[in-house]
Amino acid sequence: EVQVVESGGHLVQPGGSLRISCAASGITFSDHYMDWVRQAPGKGLEWVGRIGKRSSSFATQYAASVKGRFTILRDDSKNSLYLQMNSLNTEDTAVYFCTRVSNYWDNDYWGQGTPVTVSS
Amino acid sequence: DIQLTQSPSFLSASVGDRVTITCRASQGINNYLAWYQQKPGEAPKLLIYTASILQSGVPSRFSGSGSGTEFTLTISSLQPEDFATYYCRQRISYPITFGQGTRLEIK
Repeated sequence: EVQVVESGGHLVQPGGSLRISCAASGITFSDHYMDWVRQAPGKGLEWVGRIGKRSSSFATQYAASVKGRFTILRDDSKNSLYLQMNSLNTEDTAVYFCTRVSNYWDNDYWGQGTPVTVSS
Repeated sequence: DIQLTQSPSFLSASVGDRVTITCRASQGINNYLAWYQQKPGEAPKLLIYTASILQSGVPSRFSGSGSGTEFTLTISSLQPEDFATYYCRQRISYPITFGQGTRLEIK
């Protein structure tokens, strides 16, 4: 059974930093690109970024709204994905989803999301 | 960035109805479009990829079509569990973008 579980989301002050995590099981984690997607309260889905696999030198891509502030990392030995978020602002308040990129480049497995609230 | 515009944004329909949701891209995206379903408090679920291929386990009442800049998601006979929000998403270029969503509610 495939499981994708995010963790680490909580309340952070504006300007602060936070690292959230994603643990995957039941999939060959190292064989797949991985994405982060977020959803602000009452809003639609927003792609945050992507990390490739070892064969692509773990190349990353980011949305303009987070580029330079967020960093996606992975540890294939732990089947884990991370999102390091710096210089957080209130517009980063959202539920953050970890999702696997399938062999046809769509997101087929998703976690339940972890909420991040940026507020003073 | 490629903009995806869904219509309608809100749709009210009855069980058994046939409904169609449209997604228009601001430039050609070949057939690199997927459709997702999201229910309140849940993660999105992949329904259709590459414009028309049904994801494994998704009921056959769902279908997708289109290429280039115009795409449709059709539900042939609405079931109670289909009332949700639907998003299209393009993957031809970065940044990957989603449509704004279509909320499907029970009439």
